[in-house]
Amino acid sequence: GENVEQHPSTLSVQEGDSAVIKCTYSDSASNYFPWYKQELGKGPQLIIDIRSNVGEKKDQRIAVTLNKTAKHFSLHITETQPEDSAVYFCAASRRGSYIPTFGRGTSLIVHP
Amino acid sequence: EPEVTQTPSHQVTQMGQEVILRCVPISNHLYFYWYRQILGQKVEFLVSFYNNEISEKSEIFDDQFSVERPDGSNFTLKIRSTKLEDSAMYFCASSGGGLEQPQHFGDGTRLSIL
Repeated sequence: GENVEQHPSTLSVQEGDSAVIKCTYSDSASNYFPWYKQELGKGPQLIIDIRSNVGEKKDQRIAVTLNKTAKHFSLHITETQPEDSAVYFCAASRRGSYIPTFGRGTSLIVHP
Repeated sequence: EPEVTQTPSHQVTQMGQEVILRCVPISNHLYFYWYRQILGQKVEFLVSFYNNEISEKSEIFDDQFSVERPDGSNFTLKIRSTKLEDSAMYFCASSGGGLEQPQHFGDGTRLSIL
């Protein structure tokens, strides 16, 4: 089955800095890659997603890149703010499946 | 903005008892999901549900578990003969489309088995 590895497990940055979270996946048939933000006591909230026919997608301060050949994808957050502090999960779904496989999560801490 | 709602927020149950976790998906969504997150671990898929039947399920979703859409708005997860290791956060999600479509999550039910 699919295996998604996510790094780092914890990321601490100063307000205004950029943050990068990286994920790798094992199943070359995966073609949908969502990113979720989970705040304390809340459920995961989709913040951005990318499909395998696209190499990069951007939404304001958030961007995701995908390298299908290397089977890795990354989340980039620019100009970080304290409210960006949360746990971020990457996930991968293979074509024809409802089952997303999640990474273990990255706890992002943005210091004011 | 429409949201997925889950009740109760916290459920405490004696080992061996049955529990029912409830979810109200977003009203015009057609696909429904349950996930589990053991404390400090990754989110794990349990089951997907469409057109009143299970579309896909994971290895975790064995005979101890069942899902039901008893009416036009609720989506439930039943866990029979609960075990200590069933203690976790259980998240419901829904999506308007099926495969490879954004899923919207509720805030979860914390299940504690004593």
